[in-house]
Amino acid sequence: EVQLLESGGGLVQPGGSLRLSCAASGFTFSSYAMSWVRQAPGKGLEWVSTIETGGYTTYYADSVKGRLTISRDNSKSTLYLQMNSLRAEDTAIYYCAKGGLECSTVTCFDYWGLGTLVTVSS
Amino acid sequence: QAVLTQPASLSASPGASASLTCTLRRGINIGGYRIYWFQQRPGSPPQYLLTYRSDSDKQQGSGVPSRFSGSKDASASAGILLISGLQSEDEADYYCMIWYGSAWVFGGGTKLTVL
Repeated sequence: EVQLLESGGGLVQPGGSLRLSCAASGFTFSSYAMSWVRQAPGKGLEWVSTIETGGYTTYYADSVKGRLTISRDNSKSTLYLQMNSLRAEDTAIYYCAKGGLECSTVTCFDYWGLGTLVTVSS
Repeated sequence: QAVLTQPASLSASPGASASLTCTLRRGINIGGYRIYWFQQRPGSPPQYLLTYRSDSDKQQGSGVPSRFSGSKDASASAGILLISGLQSEDEADYYCMIWYGSAWVFGGGTKLTVL
């Protein structure tokens, strides 16, 4: 059974930093791109970032470019999101999702975690 | 103008069919795009429903009932999620998504009410 479990959320002051983790199980983690998607309170879904299988190629939404960094450790089947220079508008539930690249050959975004809440406030 | 536009809300009766649209911005040719659809119930993460590019290139999510289906209206440059035989449990937010310009783009979502 595929499972994605996010952690690391919490309350942080504007300008602060946080690192989110997503522990994956039930599939061959190293064979799939991975993505982060967020949802501000009462708002719609917003894609944040995607990383390819080896961790060398990454994609970011313009709204987070230069502040958030996606990475992965295939030996630990874990996805990360390093969040720096946080702003109030980064307040959201952050979901990790399986897939995000090579979607013509594999199903993308077919599994999501439960999410972790990040609140940026003074 | 947003890349993907969805109506904010839609209401339909139990047993009826609901057609949810996802319209691409003017000038974007829908033909080659693979459109993803997700369902999100309150307090839960999004759930993958299906992907539709063409009748020969489509995928149904694992365990997703066949009464959920996808299509396109090329003349309107829109992707369509059709839900037939509406049930109360179908009441949820529905989002479409495409890969555009080296980024994933979501529509704003449609809140479906079944009453």
